[in-house]
Amino acid sequence: AQKITQTQPGMFVQEKEAVTLDCTYDTSDPSYGLFWYKQPSSGEMIFLIYQGSYDQQNATEGRYSLNFQKARKSANLVISASQLGDSAMYFCAMREGWAGGTSYGKLTFGQGTILTVHP
Amino acid sequence: ETGVTQSPTHLIKTRGQQVTLRCSSQSGHNTVSWYQQALGQGPQFIFQYYREEENGRGNFPPRFSGLQFPNYSSELNVNALELDDSALYLCASSTGLAGGGSTDTQYFGPGTRLTVL
Repeated sequence: AQKITQTQPGMFVQEKEAVTLDCTYDTSDPSYGLFWYKQPSSGEMIFLIYQGSYDQQNATEGRYSLNFQKARKSANLVISASQLGDSAMYFCAMREGWAGGTSYGKLTFGQGTILTVHP
Repeated sequence: ETGVTQSPTHLIKTRGQQVTLRCSSQSGHNTVSWYQQALGQGPQFIFQYYREEENGRGNFPPRFSGLQFPNYSSELNVNALELDDSALYLCASSTGLAGGGSTDTQYFGPGTRLTVL
């Protein structure tokens, strides 16, 4: 079973508008962290935002916010006031607090969503 | 920029050869993780090193091996290269919270693009 699902292969948004990128996850671990990364065409993965499973408030970092709905197991990324430089691939990832066994330290990534910002 | 560096940037090898990729972690980080990213896919976890010891491994065969050095830099070695090993190899460093924890943010380097012919 997929642990991280990103159902939007591609999204388009007009410059200066807001966009939501969807992410759902699956875990039985009560302690986990959710991460969003941006990957421009250059290949480097850029950390954007983190949400812990016990955090009461939704995480925010500048123009990025995470809409965390624990009961629905969703962690959608909201980008406000989109800029042309936001065009990139976006990955949702999860780290379980205690994966146990041999997979400790593992980040599990979704398939990604390509975001294109139009002028 | 994260301060994580990787070398080389690009590499072309032939099937059956061996390759070594290198990663320098961000200052203050003692944990390095390696990922393989095939074209159009999300990264897949290979393994993680914490204070010079492997402390986590994904579903990769033993021909994928690694090392971490006292300065916390790391190497990924791949023996008997196969065509399917062609991918972007990403290294990430983190503080490696003792005892685990889900909050350990991993910061990635620019990657090494390996092509196997």
